Amino acid sequence: AQRVTQPEKLLSVFKGAPVELKCNYSYSGSPELFWYVQYSRQRLQLLLRHISRESIKGFTADLNKGETSFHLKKPFAQEEDSAMYYCALKGGSQGNLIFGKGTKLSVKP
Amino acid sequence: ETGVTQSPTHLIKTRGQQVTLRCSSQSGHNTVSWYQQALGQGPQFIFQYYREEENGRGNFPPRFSGLQFPNYSSELNVNALELDDSALYLCASSPRRTSGADTQYFGPGTRLTVL
Repeated sequence: AQRVTQPEKLLSVFKGAPVELKCNYSYSGSPELFWYVQYSRQRLQLLLRHISRESIKGFTADLNKGETSFHLKKPFAQEEDSAMYYCALKGGSQGNLIFGKGTKLSVKP
Repeated sequence: ETGVTQSPTHLIKTRGQQVTLRCSSQSGHNTVSWYQQALGQGPQFIFQYYREEENGRGNFPPRFSGLQFPNYSSELNVNALELDDSALYLCASSPRRTSGADTQYFGPGTRLTVL
């Protein structure tokens, strides 16, 4: 079964601390994985995708097929990073997204 | 460029009623996907429309149905509402059918409450 697991509902860190939001997936085949972010009172938006191997707002995510993980990392958290983060897997031929339950990141001053 | 818009913003219905939610896709996008997001959960795929035809469906019963119009806007209809249908309904548009999920642009959602 295709599934995305985000084990942490809430992650609280202090400004300047490193951040790692965990994501594990279950998928037979070559996965396409994404991180979406939802800031307060804003719509869901794409943060990054593994095929681009890019860094957005200081965040990076590496696909580890052996561990079936796609953890999101940032070396120094900022208060403006506080938001809901969703890991998502592309499933099905129509490209629909399978989301995890999300992790709320709270960065304290 | 206009983003994805949804209407209404909020809606309150009672069990057994029917509801229609609307979505205008982003300019140039011909594919619309609908998701249901229950409280504390991630969005769940309902179905997708491409060029006015259903192009894939998630694990939702037939009382969830949809339409896509020639201008690529879309409707989600839910019949015989149940309490568990209370959720945020998200619409996402993408520029072409094979574009892949990375180019899905989400609307702000419609909050449906079923009493």
